[in-house]
Amino acid sequence: KAGVTQTPRYLIKTRGQQVTLSCSPISGHRSVSWYQQTPGQGLQFLFEYFSETQRNKGNFPGRFSGRQFSNSRSEMNVSTLELGDSALYLCASSLGGTGNREQFFGPGTRLTVL
Amino acid sequence: ILNVEQSPQSLHVQEGDSTNFTCSFPSSNFYALHWYRWETAKSPEALFVMTLNGDEKKKGRISATLNTKEGYSYLYIKGSQPEDSATYLCASMYGGSQGNLIFGKGTKLSVKP
Repeated sequence: KAGVTQTPRYLIKTRGQQVTLSCSPISGHRSVSWYQQTPGQGLQFLFEYFSETQRNKGNFPGRFSGRQFSNSRSEMNVSTLELGDSALYLCASSLGGTGNREQFFGPGTRLTVL
Repeated sequence: ILNVEQSPQSLHVQEGDSTNFTCSFPSSNFYALHWYRWETAKSPEALFVMTLNGDEKKKGRISATLNTKEGYSYLYIKGSQPEDSATYLCASMYGGSQGNLIFGKGTKLSVKP
């Protein structure tokens, strides 16, 4: 069974630009969560999508948005990039939600904002 | 703001040593506790998901316990090996099965041969 994939793996952007990251979950998984990791911080929850609906949202500004398609693939968009958005962005999928089910993480997208 | 704390922040042990780390979390409205292992240049990998007070889970030389009343979980590694070197993350969930995970900052374990 193929694992969670994320594209692109690396990205360099400049301030003010926007970026779209993609995540393809494990086949059959309907929940996709997105996390941000910056140096010295733990994984910070961005949002979770389940069956094309945003089910939970973390404490991030509205510049961070996402969506999920009918095949469960998910995209995350960051508009008007700031230097502080430089981070590793991880997505994770699970069968029915994060609850008592383990999450399967992708390799991440490393975003650098110059 | 809910906060999950992990200690120690980092740990250096010799091959063969047994070790343990702590994850502390608010016990009110707790739903589940996850442990993940994150090796350098790889993706975080699930170790355990626990929900019940007193839960104990084991996978090979690694085991974990859960105390939901006092809000802590221990992860134990028996006879550490160099391949155990990784950052160990815990995450707790509140408010039911559809909540989101709140991660600690992790414990970075280095095992010297």
